[in-house]
Amino acid sequence: AQSVAQPEDQVNVAEGNPLTVKCTYSVSGNPYLFWYVQYPNRGLQFLLKYITGDNLVKGSYGFEAEFNKSQTSFHLKKPSALVSDSALYFCAVRVPFLSGNTPLVFGKGTRLSVIA
Amino acid sequence: SQTIHQWPATLVQPVGSPLSLECTVEGTSNPNLYWYRQAAGRGLQLLFYSVGIGQISSEVPQNLSASRPQDRQFILSSKKLLLSDSGFYLCAWSIRGRGGNQPQHFGDGTRLSIL
Repeated sequence: AQSVAQPEDQVNVAEGNPLTVKCTYSVSGNPYLFWYVQYPNRGLQFLLKYITGDNLVKGSYGFEAEFNKSQTSFHLKKPSALVSDSALYFCAVRVPFLSGNTPLVFGKGTRLSVIA
Repeated sequence: SQTIHQWPATLVQPVGSPLSLECTVEGTSNPNLYWYRQAAGRGLQLLFYSVGIGQISSEVPQNLSASRPQDRQFILSSKKLLLSDSGFYLCAWSIRGRGGNQPQHFGDGTRLSIL
């Protein structure tokens, strides 16, 4: 079975400081990994994904994530946080299938607050 | 480009009333379609997903049902709403196939309040 864990319900960071939102996964096989952001009363927006290749993936709004197979982690990072980055962040996983039609498995979400 | 529309954006319904939420996708063909519920701004609960017209997979037992009458239309329904059906309902789509390396794309949701 596939699962994703986001160990922190809440992350607080000062504006201008680097931020990290943690994600670990448990799958049998090589995973496809995704990060999403959700602003209040909106749907989830896709930020970035890891499929294969370079372990450091760059995405929208200056975010990046590092795939670490030995630690089964895919942490989301940004070098300098903005107040506008304050939102709910979701990590998700899918194991490759021939059809690729299975839904993503989402973590419970981490609320990021960037303080001015 | 592809777009996804959900309506209504907000809905207030009495207990025991019926429900119909609609989701449509434009700019793509044969998408996978999904319904999620999100409670209190936290995690997502997958309710239904569909890989084609008339093909619905139900993930959790509940008094909700889903239908896909057209390729790009996905409807969430209930005959009699319960208080526990309150929440934020999100529709999503993804490209079918390609080994699963495509993200899901979400609509802006419907906030449902049951009184």
